[in-house]
Amino acid sequence: GQNIDQPTEMTATEGAIVQINCTYQTSGFNGLFWYQQHAGEAPTFLSYNVLDGLEEKGRFSSFLSRSKGYSYLLLKELQMKDSASYLCAVRDRGSGNTPLVFGKGTRLSVIA
Amino acid sequence: DAGVTQSPTHLIKTRGQQVTLRCSPISGHKSVSWYQQVLGQGPQFIFQYYEKEERGRGNFPDRFSARQFPNYSSELNVNALLLGDSALYLCASSLVMGSGETQYFGPGTRLLVL
Repeated sequence: GQNIDQPTEMTATEGAIVQINCTYQTSGFNGLFWYQQHAGEAPTFLSYNVLDGLEEKGRFSSFLSRSKGYSYLLLKELQMKDSASYLCAVRDRGSGNTPLVFGKGTRLSVIA
Repeated sequence: DAGVTQSPTHLIKTRGQQVTLRCSPISGHKSVSWYQQVLGQGPQFIFQYYEKEERGRGNFPDRFSARQFPNYSSELNVNALLLGDSALYLCASSLVMGSGETQYFGPGTRLLVL
């Protein structure tokens, strides 16, 4: 089966650092994506990991450990505009095609 | 460059009706995927099309169908609408169909079934 777990909600202070965790159990693995989704809007691509390690892109970093089925998204120097849902998605090679399997998302609230 | 576009943006239907949603991918992108996102949940895969052929189908009933046209645009059709079909329907495009390909999402069509 396929299972992707993320915390439902998180709150952090403006200027701080927050880490959003994602654990996955899928029949195959061919990459992990993080998307940001503001309320009422479409998901926008943040990062992609296929090999173990850390990928850094400005204030956002994403980490992957394939052996542990674990990833995290790290947001630094938080801004109010970072308040959004963050979606972890896995590409499950075992399914025979390449759709994305999404978690339920983590709703992040950035407070002053 | 224009991103993924979808129409209509909002739609209200009644149970039993049929609906057609439309998607135009980013110019040059040949793969289109459809997702359903219910409030408070992550998107759930419905269909993927590449080069006008269905390449994947999620766990949705036969009331859901789709097609891709020669210009790579796509339509999603849902027949015999149920209240539970109320959701945000997202279209995503990618350049090709491959493991590392990033999918870029359109703004979605918000469907309300009464």
